[in-house]
Amino acid sequence: DAGITQSPRHKVTETGTPVTLRCHQTENHRYMYWYRQDPGHGLRLIHYSYGVKDTDKGEVSDGYSVSRSKTEDFLLTLESATSSQTSVYFCAINAGGPLVEQYFGPGTRLTVT
Amino acid sequence: GENVEQHPSTLSVQEGDSAVIKCTYSDSASNYFPWYKQELGKRPQLIIDIRSNVGEKKDQRIAVTLNKTAKHFSLHITETQPEDSAVYFCAASKPPGTASKLTFGTGTRLQVTL
Repeated sequence: DAGITQSPRHKVTETGTPVTLRCHQTENHRYMYWYRQDPGHGLRLIHYSYGVKDTDKGEVSDGYSVSRSKTEDFLLTLESATSSQTSVYFCAINAGGPLVEQYFGPGTRLTVT
Repeated sequence: GENVEQHPSTLSVQEGDSAVIKCTYSDSASNYFPWYKQELGKRPQLIIDIRSNVGEKKDQRIAVTLNKTAKHFSLHITETQPEDSAVYFCAASKPPGTASKLTFGTGTRLQVTL
């Protein structure tokens, strides 16, 4: 499955607490992405990275921040979790250049109570 | 930005019949159109894709067609089997150099009945 792992796989947290999700890849791919998946909305891009320390916002970035200090790791942080951030979060990667195929990690189910 | 619409939201077919899922996109600069299959509780899996310099692509029972003029593309599954039951997502992306950001449709739940 394209050498992508996510941790944790499941998390329950309380409103107002910080949460960090980790995406790790072993493919040495340039691009990494964070999506959230909610019923009726499909997959929506939160943030993406096009290299170490190079990140940019997606369509639903409010309330989220990211960091990429190494090629293999892309972290998604909810500074102060809200119930509206209850979702399934998927990380994806692609090699860049002419190879545009994106491959997804196994997902993290986050519940904010 | 790009907007992708997908229809129908649910589709039920009998085993052996064909299934067609349609998507439209808004940005004429988009040139890459993948389809993903997602089984319950699993990650989306890329099943087929098409680039704008091609009108049709086939892979066994799955085919995708693209009409650039009308800005729509479709997934065709022939001889459906129970294991085809899943949620299917279409997506669109602009050329490399724009980080290949995908914009997804809202998904089609396909149920193949015996």
